[in-house]
Amino acid sequence: GEDVEQSLFLSVREGDSSVINCTYTDSSSTYLYWYKQEPGAGLQLLTYIFSNMDMKQDQRLTVLLNKKDKHLSLRIADTQTGDSAIYFCAESFDGNKLVFGAGTILRVKS
Amino acid sequence: DVKVTQSSRYLVKRTGEKVFLECVQDMDHENMFWYRQDPGLGLRLIYFSYDVKMKEKGDIPEGYSVSREKKERFSLILESASTNQTSMYLCASRPYRTSKQETQYFGPGTRLLGL
Repeated sequence: GEDVEQSLFLSVREGDSSVINCTYTDSSSTYLYWYKQEPGAGLQLLTYIFSNMDMKQDQRLTVLLNKKDKHLSLRIADTQTGDSAIYFCAESFDGNKLVFGAGTILRVKS
Repeated sequence: DVKVTQSSRYLVKRTGEKVFLECVQDMDHENMFWYRQDPGLGLRLIYFSYDVKMKEKGDIPEGYSVSREKKERFSLILESASTNQTSMYLCASRPYRTSKQETQYFGPGTRLLGL
């Protein structure tokens, strides 16, 4: 069945780059998403990438997709304390049924 | 801006009680979803609805039911709450469109405690 895996925790220093990794199993996934959840809040979409793309950049965020290895990564440049949150990777074929990873807790040390 | 609201941020209930979690969205979205979020497990889909009075089971529907009497409101019901239903519950909505990249919009969550 479908499965999405992420490492559970990442700690970086303020100003460094953060890289959060994700692997998925469903080769029919059309869209891959990164969501951010701040403490006490719901999920907020950060960015998404189509499965026919290799890379997408949006300001400090860079998403890399290796479709052959079913590997997705999110790079946050110049990480700030406000980036501390849980980051979820999710895959979908149609945007309705989302399969989420367990989430990566990003801790930014000042 | 899309707004998805959930009736309570926290609910404290006893085992065996009937629990209602309410979700309202103000953007006329056709699709609505209920998830539960548990540490180390991410989000798991309980039920979703494509339209009024329509519902479909997600991955973990056991112990839950839903109601969609109006387009803007989607309710999650725990008929007889059990300890393993202590969790964070997230509601989401999404328009029904042909552009598949349209995301789901999430509410702030309701944390169910005390079971």
